[in-house]
Amino acid sequence: AQTVTQSQPEMSVQEAETVTLSCTYDTSESNYYLFWYKQPPSRQMILVIRQEAYKQQNATENRFSVNFQKAAKSFSLKISDSQLGDTAMYFCAFMPAYAGGTSYGKLTFGQGTILTVHP
Amino acid sequence: GAVVSQHPSRVICKSGTSVKIECRSLDFQATTMFWYRQFPKQSLMLMATSNEGSKATYEQGVEKDKFLINHASLTLSTLTVTSAHPEDSSFYICSAKRGYQETQYFGPGTRLLVL
Repeated sequence: AQTVTQSQPEMSVQEAETVTLSCTYDTSESNYYLFWYKQPPSRQMILVIRQEAYKQQNATENRFSVNFQKAAKSFSLKISDSQLGDTAMYFCAFMPAYAGGTSYGKLTFGQGTILTVHP
Repeated sequence: GAVVSQHPSRVICKSGTSVKIECRSLDFQATTMFWYRQFPKQSLMLMATSNEGSKATYEQGVEKDKFLINHASLTLSTLTVTSAHPEDSSFYICSAKRGYQETQYFGPGTRLLVL
């Protein structure tokens, strides 16, 4: 079984500044996917960014980028030029990539980090 | 693309009644759909996985006779909460994925309140 840990229950940042959300995970799988999802007050889950474990290059999506450290099992999310619309709960999630496993396709979520962007 | 809808968005029912929640993939065929439960300011808890045309697989601790899941087509899965009680009040979210693609697309959720 895998676990995902987000050690920051709440964080805040000023508009236009940069913030980093932490995530660590534990797994015995060799190949997997990692995701960051955002849940704004509307509670709609929105995919922010995904990373394939076999790719060493860190994923980026506009103002969002990750720092993926496979050996350390760490997957942090950096939000640059923070905007008020970034205020949300952010979830880190893990998914095994092996199609033959019982956990295939299932997401394991961290506890979430509530991010507030202040004007 | 990859839009998932849920209906209803919120429902209030009396204790002892059954409630059905629909999850639809609007612009893609979803071979697998997932049902989650979420309490306020907490993480998502996977309840069950449903594959089109086969029985749902429930996570440990989830009562399959209470939470009936049907995935009758490649675009529709339903969750029925049978004999609902106040402790079943929660936010229920579905997600869907295409074939062997890894990304899950989430519905907007259904808020259930059992009086």
